[in-house]
Amino acid sequence: QQPVQSPQAVILREGEDAVINCSSSKALYSVHWYRQKHGEAPVFLMILLKGGEQKGHEKISASFNEKKQQSSLYLTASQLSYSGTYFCGTVGTGANNLFFGTGTRLTVIP
Amino acid sequence: SAVISQKPSRDICQRGTSLTIQCQVDSQVTMMFWYRQQPGQSLTLIATANQGSEATYESGFVIDKFPISRPNLTFSTLTVSNMSPEDSSIYLCSVPVGAGRDTQYFGPGTRLTVL
Repeated sequence: QQPVQSPQAVILREGEDAVINCSSSKALYSVHWYRQKHGEAPVFLMILLKGGEQKGHEKISASFNEKKQQSSLYLTASQLSYSGTYFCGTVGTGANNLFFGTGTRLTVIP
Repeated sequence: SAVISQKPSRDICQRGTSLTIQCQVDSQVTMMFWYRQQPGQSLTLIATANQGSEATYESGFVIDKFPISRPNLTFSTLTVSNMSPEDSSIYLCSVPVGAGRDTQYFGPGTRLTVL
């Protein structure tokens, strides 16, 4: 039931772009993205609801393909503050519970 | 958003003892969720705590080991019973917020070490 994320880890130089993928084996109602820094609680980034929408702001955006049960998080022109572990969370159709993906550790270096 | 606090923030406990973790929210919420995050791992849902009814546990978690109370709409406790070193984890509560109650916000977590 746990969504699978790829890659497991990525190292970027400041200003580079990254894509993090999240794939589920179940039909999804929504996908949530969180960032967690070491020793802190996960921080909500965005939610995508069923409908294939793309969301986000300037440099962090995401898409949701409900047919493929996949979501991708796009980070452009990365900053040092983007470092952390990114988790997708999925809610299945007709469910309330959020299940977290395997996580992607992102490190941005100067 | 919601302001969520947890107590204690961290604790070191002896094997065989129990610890009760508190979660307080600044607004009334129907559902509260409890998660466990083992070192270097993702978050795993333990149970959903609804006010006025028994908590609903996920596969692999049982009430005898993780009893939950939900006395009102702003508060919940999770007890980790008869602890072993394998219970060393961060325990987090979360609540759904927003107009559609679709977004979950997390408390700061309780870091538990069992010796």
